[in-house]
Amino acid sequence: QKEVEQDPGPLSVPEGAIVSLNCTYSNSAFQYFMWYRQYSRKGPELLMYTYSSGNKEDGRFTAQVDKSSKYISLFIRDSQPSDSATYLCAMSDPDKLIFGTGTRLQVFP
Amino acid sequence: DTEVTQTPKHLVMGMTNKKSLKCEQHMGHRAMYWYKQKAKKPPELMFVYSYEKLSINESVPSRFSPECPNSSLLNLHLHALQPEDSALYLCASSQGLDRGNTIYFGEGSWLTVV
Repeated sequence: QKEVEQDPGPLSVPEGAIVSLNCTYSNSAFQYFMWYRQYSRKGPELLMYTYSSGNKEDGRFTAQVDKSSKYISLFIRDSQPSDSATYLCAMSDPDKLIFGTGTRLQVFP
Repeated sequence: DTEVTQTPKHLVMGMTNKKSLKCEQHMGHRAMYWYKQKAKKPPELMFVYSYEKLSINESVPSRFSPECPNSSLLNLHLHALQPEDSALYLCASSQGLDRGNTIYFGEGSWLTVV
């Protein structure tokens, strides 16, 4: 079993939709949870960062962590064509950072 | 704009060439990283410099060698590469390995080996 599982997609939604991206993990030692957005042919950009369980909101983006279920989510409200990218979850304990495989999202007008 | 800058953005090199990728971070971070990313795959860690100590992913071949002139600069020296080494090479930095490993990436250097 992989330490981090993420559906690769692609996920195609109309503009204005609410998008839900998810990752599951197996290592209960993970304490820090991140979401990166990567546009084609660019480096990953840190989008959200959460420590331990709970929710964090930043504009149209909400990150949720449920450590009891080992499940993290990223919600995008009012999705825009400019949100079309690959979204990578990542999580770490003090020793290592593990990425999910990334979910490709396409928002069409 | 990212505060991790990488040069060059694109590099084409032959299998007998020697070249270097350069990276500079402007955030006062104490850890710097090189990652390799192939198409439709997540970044794969190659090297970490943290507090002047180098950690190596043992699967990385010796034709890649990192150099850390100071805490804000990180180079990756390339020699006798193979076509399968063609990829996006990402430099990244973080406050330190004991700070949650929230890392910030540069834009990447696209390497093509011919």
